[in-house]
Amino acid sequence: SQQGEEDPQALSIQEGENATMNCSYKTSINNLQWYRQNSGRGLVHLILIRSNEREKHSGRLRVTLDTSKKSSSLLITASRAADTASYFCASILIQGAQKLVFGQGTRLTINP
Amino acid sequence: GAVVSQHPSWVICKSGTSVKIECRSLDFQATTMFWYRQFPKQSLMLMATSNEGSKATYEQGVEKDKFLINHASLTLSTLTVTSAHPEDSSFYICSARMGQGLYGYTFGSGTRLTVV
Repeated sequence: SQQGEEDPQALSIQEGENATMNCSYKTSINNLQWYRQNSGRGLVHLILIRSNEREKHSGRLRVTLDTSKKSSSLLITASRAADTASYFCASILIQGAQKLVFGQGTRLTINP
Repeated sequence: GAVVSQHPSWVICKSGTSVKIECRSLDFQATTMFWYRQFPKQSLMLMATSNEGSKATYEQGVEKDKFLINHASLTLSTLTVTSAHPEDSSFYICSARMGQGLYGYTFGSGTRLTVV
């Protein structure tokens, strides 16, 4: 079952612009992670934010988490053509077998 | 860092045959491995969770007899798609977790299965 919804489903911007992707989830989480997937490839872990954190940075990435709204956002600043990929949020449910459950994903296209 | 090797990266098989996909943790022992399926332009859907030495736990709607999972050692889990049909064509990805930590999930590079 899917844990979250991502918004937008597809995003196309010009190189150099910032890209913001949002993720909402349904149940309580321990942490939330963001992954990138290039077309037809495996997943690359980008960043993890714990449930007691509100914001986290890693290079050009900025992630926020609002547990009251059950939502998270991923901001990529100064986008590059190489950032073109699908981005997924994923969360580990507090209850259960600690399964990593993915959102629907956002397909990001950076136009040169 | 932790590396998970998935093999093969792609496979084409005839309808009715079985296909085995391997997922190996190369430099760590994976107590738990997860198998996902991904259709084109869709997200990853968790199929099952496998723990070393015990039976896999399947998600609702996933056929246990069709998708056989074996996790015989701490470094190897296999997914066998039995009597494959064209609708089984998909991208299959495994993930391995080191220990009981909530943070150490590593993904394989995926297997593209095409059933003709």
